[in-house]
Amino acid sequence: DAKTTQPPSMDCAEGRAANLPCNHSTISGNEYVYWYRQIHSQGPQYIIHGLKNNETNEMASLIITEDRKSSTLILPHATLRDTAVYYCIVRVGYGNKLVFGAGTILRVKS
Amino acid sequence: ETGVTQSPTHLIKTRGQQVTLRCSSQSGHNTVSWYQQALGQGPQFIFQYYREEENGRGNFPPRFSGLQFPNYSSELNVNALELDDSALYLCASSFQGINNSPLHFGNGTRLTVT
Repeated sequence: DAKTTQPPSMDCAEGRAANLPCNHSTISGNEYVYWYRQIHSQGPQYIIHGLKNNETNEMASLIITEDRKSSTLILPHATLRDTAVYYCIVRVGYGNKLVFGAGTILRVKS
Repeated sequence: ETGVTQSPTHLIKTRGQQVTLRCSSQSGHNTVSWYQQALGQGPQFIFQYYREEENGRGNFPPRFSGLQFPNYSSELNVNALELDDSALYLCASSFQGINNSPLHFGNGTRLTVT
């Protein structure tokens, strides 16, 4: 079972920041939080990951709470092309087994 | 940098047949894994290969098998196809040896079993 809980859907206005929440209350100390997104008919696209510090890259920012029980993915200026299913995943160990939940459908509207 | 590529993109098979799907890992990656994504659901882990051996498996029967080749490309084989095997099959690669190297996915093979 997935170790994360996400809202099923969210809407965001084009040009505004999209803030996608994720709860992972059972996360262990050495487990990373990963975010992927999947646009219709494509494979999941890696966005960002982190352990306990906030992270930023060219796509997004990841804010992890101090107790690590939740996190927020921030897309600073959402565009229509950001419409996708966003998956928050807790990666257990260093293997390639990722347990995907249902994700959040983000709809960016003009 | 070449990403993960999969072939074919679409495939139609009949129940009871066998199918082979192919994947080329992203350059520099040495670990490959396969996922099955049914319509409307998240991807489910099938298995992973490292150093040409399976070293992790999800809840899939033995008729799902795989290979990893010295050049890190991979195959997924499914025998005795069932209607429920209809899904998007995704390949993902990463570099094992760097802590938490992200997985990078291909765009998948859409398999339809009739």
